[in-house]
Amino acid sequence: DVVLTQSPLSLPVTLGQPASISCRSSQSLVYSDGITYLTWFQQRPGQSPRRLIYKVSNRDSGVPDRFSGSGSGTDFTLKISRVEAEDVGVYYCMQGTRWPLTFGQGTRLEIK
Amino acid sequence: EVQLLESGGALVQPGGSLRLSCVASGFTFNNYAMGWVRQAPGKGLEWVSDISGNGGNTFYADSVRGRFTISRDNSKNTLYLQMNSLRVEDTAVYYCAKEAGSEAYGHLDSWGQGTLVTVSS
Repeated sequence: DVVLTQSPLSLPVTLGQPASISCRSSQSLVYSDGITYLTWFQQRPGQSPRRLIYKVSNRDSGVPDRFSGSGSGTDFTLKISRVEAEDVGVYYCMQGTRWPLTFGQGTRLEIK
Repeated sequence: EVQLLESGGALVQPGGSLRLSCVASGFTFNNYAMGWVRQAPGKGLEWVSDISGNGGNTFYADSVRGRFTISRDNSKNTLYLQMNSLRVEDTAVYYCAKEAGSEAYGHLDSWGQGTLVTVSS
């Protein structure tokens, strides 16, 4: 199975400051069609997960542009340019390139 | 607007069975694969199963293969998860999620609110 390793697992951030989460894969996530199926989800406290970013860097509708995704192959990053209070929660990366679908352990973002 | 509404979660004894349902609205159900993802209390997300838009292809995590069965009734816009031989470690909130196309997997672009399954004696 593809193992996704996120770091850090806990991320205290001051409001208005940037934040960055890493997701490293045990295998390349480039599919045979040339597309990399790496997705980022946000789970706010008490809520269901919400997709933020798909195919590495594409923002979902309604996602603020302070969220961005980047990376290639096995190394990926989710960045928040300026953290706001509503960004508190747990962030997960997920790969959809190989069965079974797998998630990272999650990174808990909190306000310092 | 996509809406997914799960139901069927309950307290069940180890070895028991349960069927979860997920009623979908806001999109043409049979045009999209669907999946189930679970989250044990205080833990991370774990993919459970996916099914193609026409129901002809199914996929399972090793942890549930042979015990769980995913299915769908496109005439009722409903996704199911039949869970047999339940174990304590199956205790979790179960979410249904929509995929990006009939045979497009690993996208999970919309999620329901989840239903809690508790396996305990």
